[in-house]
Amino acid sequence: DAKTTQPNSMESNEEEPVHLPCNHSTISGTDYIHWYRQLPSQGPEYVIHGLTSNVNNRMASLAIAEDRKSSTLILHRATLRDAAVYYCILRDGTGGFKTIFGAGTRLFVKA
Amino acid sequence: EAQVTQNPRYLITVTGKKLTVTCSQNMNHEYMSWYRQDPGLGLRQIYYSMNVEVTDKGDVPEGYKVSRKEKRNFPLILESPSPNQTSLYFCASSFDRTGRGEKLFFGSGTQLSVL
Repeated sequence: DAKTTQPNSMESNEEEPVHLPCNHSTISGTDYIHWYRQLPSQGPEYVIHGLTSNVNNRMASLAIAEDRKSSTLILHRATLRDAAVYYCILRDGTGGFKTIFGAGTRLFVKA
Repeated sequence: EAQVTQNPRYLITVTGKKLTVTCSQNMNHEYMSWYRQDPGLGLRQIYYSMNVEVTDKGDVPEGYKVSRKEKRNFPLILESPSPNQTSLYFCASSFDRTGRGEKLFFGSGTQLSVL
């Protein structure tokens, strides 16, 4: 099962961009790269996902390396509400299988 | 509203007393899964199900059982709970086999304490 590696924590200033890295060197061709975040006392919530091309949505952008062995979640302007644990995971597009979460990156946002 | 519903939200029990945590989704998802979350360990998968009557072990299945008799429900059963199963539990669901790596929807969690 392909795993991901993320830094334990990162810090950002409010209203500045944040780049959260993720390494997934054993990714397979059918694995989609997903990002979720977990606010205190809540369940994880979906942020963004992609396969090969960079993706944008209202919450964030996802930049995927050309070899797909790493990716970066970009929050364009961090707010205090973005302080959370961010998880990068891989989901097989062919269906089913285990979905492995690591410990994630705890993002601290300073006012 | 599309959602994953877990019950109960909080549960305190004693060692050895069988319990069931329910999970239901209203999105017609094929895939459902249970996770436990302990401080510093992130989410660890207990069991998952790819469709009705199809279940498989995750990374930490010991001491747990699941069943998938209906597509919408995926209960987690602790036949004889022990204190090391004190944890925060999350149920999740998604479409499956669309070829598009569908996103997971999570419930609000069940905080279980086994005394």
